Amino acid sequence: DTEVTQTPKHLVMGMTNKKSLKCEQHMGHRAMYWYKQKAKKPPELMFVYSYEKLSINESVPSRFSPECPNSSLLNLHLHALQPEDSALYLCASSQVGTGRHEQYFGPGTRLTVT
Amino acid sequence: GENVEQHPSTLSVQEGDSAVIKCTYSDSASNYFPWYKQELGKRPQLIIDIRSNVGEKKDQRIAVTLNKTAKHFSLHITETQPEDSAVYFCAASKGAGSYQLTFGKGTKLSVIP
Repeated sequence: DTEVTQTPKHLVMGMTNKKSLKCEQHMGHRAMYWYKQKAKKPPELMFVYSYEKLSINESVPSRFSPECPNSSLLNLHLHALQPEDSALYLCASSQVGTGRHEQYFGPGTRLTVT
Repeated sequence: GENVEQHPSTLSVQEGDSAVIKCTYSDSASNYFPWYKQELGKRPQLIIDIRSNVGEKKDQRIAVTLNKTAKHFSLHITETQPEDSAVYFCAASKGAGSYQLTFGKGTKLSVIP
């Protein structure tokens, strides 16, 4: 099973709202990722968690707050977003320390900020 | 940091013809090169990958070649079908100990029936 799931599929939020995106995988992967993808562009790395600890933060604004409550779950908390934050938010996961580098993506959450 | 250039940005082929997409990378320490296919509105799907100790890898109609000396790698799709139409992204990574994939800008492949 190479499935990563994400909820919700679509989200519309105002600039003063607080919302959360959720990601789950049951492949035993110990690295999980958040990417942002704008239309016609490649995915852009935001955060990496390894063994439930934040290992990479690609200078993402503090209005995005990641959380990894356990080895299967990854959340992205959103607050006071801007319209330019509208994008497809993708979660991915991979193994760690096994020599297997494959990253598997979830279906994404299409976020619209109004 | 790593930089990945991908060409062409768009590619149209007749059904049954072959398609080739090329990528170059800048960091000689990169040793893992995946290819992702993304259909409109869907997730990037890993279709094939290659590691730096291998020169070529095939999976049915898809093949990837790697030239470490020249720092370039290519995706070859033979006998193209309409369902191959999608955006294809190449990427490079330094592999173990590094989680970062550096993506190319993508190639929109259209297979004309």
